[in-house]
Amino acid sequence: QSALTQPASVSGSPGQSITISCTGTSSDVGGYNYVSWYQQHPGKAPKLMIYEVSNRPSGVPDRFSGSKSGNTASLTISGLQAEDEADYYCSSYTSSSLYVFGTGTKVTVL
Amino acid sequence: EVQLVESGGGLVKPGGSLRLSCAASGFTFSSYSMNWVRQAPGKGLEWVSSISSSSSYIYYADSVKGRFTISRDNAKNSLYLQMNSLRAEDTAVYYCARDYSYGSWAFDPWGQGTLVTVSS
Repeated sequence: QSALTQPASVSGSPGQSITISCTGTSSDVGGYNYVSWYQQHPGKAPKLMIYEVSNRPSGVPDRFSGSKSGNTASLTISGLQAEDEADYYCSSYTSSSLYVFGTGTKVTVL
Repeated sequence: EVQLVESGGGLVKPGGSLRLSCAASGFTFSSYSMNWVRQAPGKGLEWVSSISSSSSYIYYADSVKGRFTISRDNAKNSLYLQMNSLRAEDTAVYYCARDYSYGSWAFDPWGQGTLVTVSS
C-alpha cells in the first residue's frame, strides 16, 4: 500500500486561504468517505482536525474544512493564522491494509 | 480528561525485542478500538496495528506482520505492542491512538509517543 500523495509544502500569508490536496486511488480515498486530516506541530503528537471527509471534531476552528472529489481529498484553511504553521497529514481507510497516511505537507505562514 | 500515556521505548539491538504499553484514562477503554501509529525521525506517519474493543479483530501493516503483536487488557485500561525481531527501520516514535468514534476510521486522541531506537 503506497502512501497517499500530498504536496511537500504549501505557504500563505496571514488571512489568506490555502488548500492541501491528498491523492489516492479508488481503493482508498475514492472508494470510501473515511478521509481524515491531522495537524502536527514540531515535537508534538498529531491532532485530528477533520474526519469522514468534512466533519470537524468539537474544538476545531471552522476555518478548517474538508472535501473530496474522486480520488483526491482536500483540506482548506481559511483566514490563515500563525498558529496554523505545522505539518498536515491526510489518512484514509483502505480495503487493502486498513489505513494509509499521506506523505505530509508542511504549511508555512509567511 | 481523556489521556493516553505510552511507555516502554528505548534502545535495542537489531533482532531484539521490546514491549510498549499505553495506559488509558478518562474514557471507557473497553468501548473503543485502539491503534499504534509510528513516525520515523523526520518522516511521516505510518499506521502499524489496530485492535477492536474486545480483541476480536486485529490488523497489522505488512511491514510488521509476523514480528509485532498487539494486545489489550480492558481490566487494566491498557494497550500493548510486543515487538520482536526488530530492525533498524523500526526506529521511530510510537504513538498509541484511540478511535475517534465507532466507524469514524479516524484517530483521536493520541498519546505523547515513546521513542524506539534499533541500533547496534
